[in-house]
Amino acid sequence: QVQLQESGPGLVKPSQTLSLTCSVSGGSITSGNHDWTWIRQPAGKGLEWIGRIHTTGSTNSNPSLKGRVIVSRDTSQNQFSLSLTSVTAADTAVYYCARRTRGYPYDIWGQGTMVTVSS
Amino acid sequence: EIVLTQSPGTLSLSPGERATLSCRASQSVIGSYLAWYQQKPGQAPRLLIYGASTRATGIPDRFSGSGSGTDFTLTISRLEPEDFAVYYCQQYDTSPLAFGGGTKVEIK
Repeated sequence: QVQLQESGPGLVKPSQTLSLTCSVSGGSITSGNHDWTWIRQPAGKGLEWIGRIHTTGSTNSNPSLKGRVIVSRDTSQNQFSLSLTSVTAADTAVYYCARRTRGYPYDIWGQGTMVTVSS
Repeated sequence: EIVLTQSPGTLSLSPGERATLSCRASQSVIGSYLAWYQQKPGQAPRLLIYGASTRATGIPDRFSGSGSGTDFTLTISRLEPEDFAVYYCQQYDTSPLAFGGGTKVEIK
């Protein structure tokens, strides 16, 4: 049973970089045909797809975030990470990591972690 | 980029009633790669439907999905108390894998 757990600072200052990690248990991030993904949700609002890293290591991100997103992985730790640069208050949200199998939607989610951007 | 528009924004119904939620895409969703999720306060979304009409594992049969192309529908045949939540559609065909804005199903 694959499980995901987000971790990282709950408070980030404006203009700095938000860094989160998703720890994966019960399965390897280098096996199968999966997208390991970051999704966020501002309070009271909808879900926004941020970016993903595939089992092969290929990545892509949402163009709406204007190149501020890096999704990477540490295979030795079975983790993948999100870096979001030049943050503003608009980046305040609950951040989820999630997994899908290519051709299918997201069936496994972390519990989410709240990140506030404030000085 | 595919944009998904959900309607209505809020649906006020009583337990036992039928709920019909709509999701419209700005362009055709190839292969009916359209999913529905349920989200309750403080929880991550839960997958209900994929492939527009296939229930995910463990989802009760009062939930059903239909549609193709640009118009999709989630139907809850008889609302149970635990069904009052926010529902999101998502296309998982074309990156970025956008979500709709959500429909809140609230108790009338």
